[in-house]
Amino acid sequence: EDKVVQSPLSLVVHEGDTVTLNCSYEVTNFRSLLWYKQEKKAPTFLFMLTSSGIEKKSGRLSSILDKKELFSILNITATQTGDSAVYLCALSGGSNYKLTFGKGTLLTVNP
Amino acid sequence: GAGVSQSPSNKVTEKGKDVELRCDPISGHTALYWYRQSLGQGLEFLIYFQGNSAPDKSGLPSDRFSAERTGGSVSTLTIQRTQQEDSAVYLCASSLDPPDRPGNTIYFGEGSWLTVV
Repeated sequence: EDKVVQSPLSLVVHEGDTVTLNCSYEVTNFRSLLWYKQEKKAPTFLFMLTSSGIEKKSGRLSSILDKKELFSILNITATQTGDSAVYLCALSGGSNYKLTFGKGTLLTVNP
Repeated sequence: GAGVSQSPSNKVTEKGKDVELRCDPISGHTALYWYRQSLGQGLEFLIYFQGNSAPDKSGLPSDRFSAERTGGSVSTLTIQRTQQEDSAVYLCASSLDPPDRPGNTIYFGEGSWLTVV
């Protein structure tokens, strides 16, 4: 069974700090790894990673995948209060439609 | 529509009653998914629709849960004889097929918060 473990479960930082969120996984047949941001109810898509070593960037957010060591990280630089949310890591494994989610990392950015 | 629309946004029901949750996916999205998110837990896959057919119902927790999709669009998730452990946020999502093709992002709705008392 596919498995996704995120760490830390929660994190409190001050505005301007840089944070690194971790996602490790176990999978039988890797297809892709995705990151979502969940502020209230609807998770919103951030990145899809399929290849090792290729960094995806969007503004202050970036993510990279290591398929050999089976993990991904999500970096947020110069954090803002609006970055406060739960960040979800999800794995697309044996089937291309079923995502296996981790429990998420609750990030709180204080002014 | 502009996004995935779900209704009701909140529902409180008595134990033993049936509930129906509705999902209106993004126009043109052939793939539709239902997930459940319980407090402190990650999202749990329930069912996937490709068009009107559901090739994978493996995530439905029990036979009290059923879902259908008509016209390749709107889907309804029905929970019969609700139990307190059914309390959760039920999230619907949609995408183009295949969902793992780069660019075919899975978009989520805001969910239906179900409380069984």
